[in-house]
Amino acid sequence: EPEVTQTPSHQVTQMGQEVILRCVPISNHLYFYWYRQILGQKVEFLVSFYNNEISEKSEIFDDQFSVERPDGSNFTLKIRSTKLEDSAMYFCASSWEVGYEQYFGPGTRLTVT
Amino acid sequence: AQTVTQSQPEMSVQEAETVTLSCTYDTSENNYYLFWYKQPPSRQMILVIRQEAYKQQNATENRFSVNFQKAAKSFSLKISDSQLGDTAMYFCASMSYQFYFGTGTSLTVIP
Repeated sequence: EPEVTQTPSHQVTQMGQEVILRCVPISNHLYFYWYRQILGQKVEFLVSFYNNEISEKSEIFDDQFSVERPDGSNFTLKIRSTKLEDSAMYFCASSWEVGYEQYFGPGTRLTVT
Repeated sequence: AQTVTQSQPEMSVQEAETVTLSCTYDTSENNYYLFWYKQPPSRQMILVIRQEAYKQQNATENRFSVNFQKAAKSFSLKISDSQLGDTAMYFCASMSYQFYFGTGTSLTVIP
């Protein structure tokens, strides 16, 4: 069964550094998403991406964040100048169509020290 | 903005018994979708069941079924014949343009 993959599984970075989290969505999916889950809290929507542009974003997704689909397979989330409060699990997801099942990746645990 | 409320932070059920997890939501959209996702200790989110708001018939997926009350904006999940592998966090979610998740219910199945 096709699956969403994410790398790395765990990323440790120092405050103020830039990180790039990588995702490979399911190949025939058209919609891509990033979510974050601070430990012990609910999953929060960050951004959705369709047709090479952002279709929706939440209030969390400010200028510190950016997304890109640099080639036909990868979907990346860049966090500039990381802060301690950016420490969380970041999940990538993809879907064939809006409203259909979103397939989630295993997540990247980001720790900012 | 939409909100999703799960009022039961923790629940437990005996193996083979039935348990119902509650969820209420608030939306001004006419067209939306509702989901239950399961997050086991491995932390990967797995879809349990999906409901389209325009469909009156409650969705069913094997041992999992929902009670969708559109007027009351309620979307509860019933797990029948609970199994040890059902132990996980369960998140209710609604979607029109964005996904909104509830705070989750931690379900423990007791052998």
